[in-house]
Amino acid sequence: GENVEQHPSTLSVQEGDSAVIKCTYSDSASNYFPWYKQELGKGPQLIIDIRSNVGEKKDQRIAVTLNKTAKHFSLHITETQPEDSAVYFCAASKGTGGFKTIFGAGTRLFVKA
Amino acid sequence: DSGVTQTPKHLITATGQRVTLRCSPRSGDLSVYWYQQSLDQGLQFLIQYYNGEERAKGNILERFSAQQFPDLHSELNLSSLELGDSALYFCASSVYPVGGGETQYFGPGTRLLVL
Repeated sequence: GENVEQHPSTLSVQEGDSAVIKCTYSDSASNYFPWYKQELGKGPQLIIDIRSNVGEKKDQRIAVTLNKTAKHFSLHITETQPEDSAVYFCAASKGTGGFKTIFGAGTRLFVKA
Repeated sequence: DSGVTQTPKHLITATGQRVTLRCSPRSGDLSVYWYQQSLDQGLQFLIQYYNGEERAKGNILERFSAQQFPDLHSELNLSSLELGDSALYFCASSVYPVGGGETQYFGPGTRLLVL
């Protein structure tokens, strides 16, 4: 069935270092790839997204890359700060309808001061 | 703040009981989604409504039901509650674009504890 694999499940970095989270999707029809950040006790918040007609997108310290051929996409956070500590979810969607949005299992990021 | 509101924030109840969770979508959003997140688990899609009509179903138990009202708010009803139903329940909303994936905005969640 459709699946999104996310790695690593836990990531610990030193403040100021970069963090990279990788996701692989199985459905080649997927065309929209959002990333969500979930802080403790809060709902997931969209931080960046990319559509299949774009290979890379950047927003300040956050960037996402997409390789449609390999069916994988990655989140890059540069100059990490303690407030970046959270759980990050990737997702892949191929159209409207929540059941068509498949979420990865999440990556717990720790940024050590 | 995503603009999606959920009430109550916390709910403690006993097994066998019934509860109702409420969600108000962002202004202008016609679609509402419900998700369940158990401890250290990912997001499990339950059900989606669009403009009052059910549009998609995920892994929703028969003991659970939902509806979306004319003012677009939605309610998720959980009945005959079991210990395993303890989880965070999130509502999300989106505009319903034609073609392509939609951006979903999540509410703060309702934490349900069944004792």
